Amino acid sequence: EAGVAQSPRYKIIEKRQSVAFWCNPISGHATLYWYQQILGQGPKLLIQFQNNGVVDDSQLPKDRFSAERLKGVDSTLKIQPAKLEDSAVYLCASSLPRQNTEAFFGQGTRLTVV
Amino acid sequence: GNSVTQMEGPVTLSEEAFLTINCTYTATGYPSLFWYVQYPGEGLQLLLKATKADDKGSNKGFEATYRKETTSFHLEKGSVQVSDSAVYFCALKGAGTASKLTFGTGTRLQVTL
Repeated sequence: EAGVAQSPRYKIIEKRQSVAFWCNPISGHATLYWYQQILGQGPKLLIQFQNNGVVDDSQLPKDRFSAERLKGVDSTLKIQPAKLEDSAVYLCASSLPRQNTEAFFGQGTRLTVV
Repeated sequence: GNSVTQMEGPVTLSEEAFLTINCTYTATGYPSLFWYVQYPGEGLQLLLKATKADDKGSNKGFEATYRKETTSFHLEKGSVQVSDSAVYFCALKGAGTASKLTFGTGTRLQVTL
């Protein structure tokens, strides 16, 4: 079974530029998560989708971050404009829509803003 | 809202030592509980889980028991190996089909010969 695919693996941009990350979840997983993991910290949920609807985006900085999940499958996360403090690993995960099931994670995208 | 508190690291142990990493949680209802592990240079992967009170999750010699009365899910291993060196994250998934997965801050384990 294919896992969660993310691209790119690494990205370096200058502050005030824009960047986009792509995620392809495991087939059949209705729930998709985007997390931000700053070095030395635990993953922080940015946004959670159920199919193509947003379930939770309470911690998404909506003035600069946006995300979409078209047709309930692939998802993109965009940052525009980027700030230095956005340097982090961005993790995508997917799961079946049940409480007792685990989430499967992609390898992540390491973003460096200079 | 839901939250997870883990003991701070790093935890440094000699090979074959006993490991405990404490995890406590705050949640409404009956969440599911997870331990994830992140090996150097790799992504997050599930280590074990427990979905109801008194359940014990186990994998690769690691164990954790879901204690509702103490709201805890401590990770234990009887004899650690150098290959267990990693960052360990406790997490919970709240009640409901669209439940949020909330992580603790992580505990780094370093095992030496």
